[in-house]
Amino acid sequence: QSVLTQPPSVSAAPGQKVTISCSGSSSNIGSNFVAWYQQLPGTAPKLHIHENHKRPSGIPDRFSGSKSGTSATLGITGLQTGDEAEYYCGTWDNRLSAYVFGTGTKVTVL
Amino acid sequence: EVQLVESGGGLVQPGGSLRLSCAASGFTFSNYWMSWVRQAPGKGPEWVANIKEDGSEKYFVESMKGRLTISRDDAKNSLYLQMDSLRAEDTAMYYCVRTLQDSAHDYWGQGTLVTVSS
Repeated sequence: QSVLTQPPSVSAAPGQKVTISCSGSSSNIGSNFVAWYQQLPGTAPKLHIHENHKRPSGIPDRFSGSKSGTSATLGITGLQTGDEAEYYCGTWDNRLSAYVFGTGTKVTVL
Repeated sequence: EVQLVESGGGLVQPGGSLRLSCAASGFTFSNYWMSWVRQAPGKGPEWVANIKEDGSEKYFVESMKGRLTISRDDAKNSLYLQMDSLRAEDTAMYYCVRTLQDSAHDYWGQGTLVTVSS
């Protein structure tokens, strides 16, 4: 049972935009940077956003991240079929002294 | 090119032990925190443990505290995870991951599968 809560699924048509929320608390999101990972079936998670909004090299600018208080949001614009995947938020939790992942959100391109 | 290659997984009986290894290349290993993350079949990723660049700090997931030892050998560019008293619920793919200063995990290995079953 994760301390970071995400919606189970979101969907939109190709070219549209989706946003995924990640809700935490003062001991995790409220105090630390948030990262976002994309996981395609059968592969390891891949970092897409870190330090709340920074994109690693090679990640398209269609992906964006933001944080406000104890919540964070991942945005994907210009949705493509290749974006269909599970997405997880993650951050350090000071109370647990552990890294925590969100519950995961399945993105479906209609 | 950053590469992380895990080994040491396999089938083990409940109560048994395994030692996972991770060979790193393509970056200055001694400059990074390193972590282990696992993922049970059909479940999300779960962080297991991490270790500071110089090995002076280590943290573990609550469910495995007392059963894990994490270590590193910077001379060999290698990360290790000793797992004892294994349980069925420890069955998962175990990934070696490079960890940034903000705790994000930017490079992942291909994983090594640990199956705990009699």
